[in-house]
Amino acid sequence: DQQVKQNSPSLSVQEGRISILNCDYTNSMFDYFLWYKKYPAEGPTFLISISSIKDKNEDGRFTVFLNKSAKHLSLHIVPSQPGDSAVYFCAASGGNDMRFGAGTRLTVKP
Amino acid sequence: DSGVTQTPKHLITATGQRVTLRCSPRSGDLSVYWYQQSLDQGLQFLIQYYNGEERAKGNILERFSAQQFPDLHSELNLSSLELGDSALYFCASGGGLYNEQFFGPGTRLTVL
Repeated sequence: DQQVKQNSPSLSVQEGRISILNCDYTNSMFDYFLWYKKYPAEGPTFLISISSIKDKNEDGRFTVFLNKSAKHLSLHIVPSQPGDSAVYFCAASGGNDMRFGAGTRLTVKP
Repeated sequence: DSGVTQTPKHLITATGQRVTLRCSPRSGDLSVYWYQQSLDQGLQFLIQYYNGEERAKGNILERFSAQQFPDLHSELNLSSLELGDSALYFCASGGGLYNEQFFGPGTRLTVL
């Protein structure tokens, strides 16, 4: 069962523009949401998270938005840089359960 | 460097065989998580251990088992291997306030 979905397998943006990565979830019991970034041949690394009591969390160029009613979250990267090119996974957790999406491959072109 | 170590980095074996993957969590972390990432697939949660006890179970096959030892390192045992078991296997530790996990570099398993 896919409780966390990233419907766009890939995204390509120009350097300096905004990257928007989307994620949908189905289980209303999830109360924390996280984004991880993964480079080839490395494990995922934590990027940013948001609690279900918030609708926005910002950390430098990265902002995560949560729309609980729509069960949707998004990651905005502004401005995008070539070094941001990676696979981005969203994850949702509740209690002892954590589910990951399939990932979106972001390519930032110079 | 996440502080999580996994060995071996690569493993090539044949169908029907049994392998053991090893993970050492970050210093101080009591939880260890195992994930499988098949080609073009997301991370599939397999199992979690907390301080030696099984805490949560995901999509782990009966042919797979895991344990966490008193020194907190963990092993994932995969038996009766099939071609479809070829994947990257990640171990993670952590589980802080936001359930943030720190991932190891992974073990790439190839079953021929």
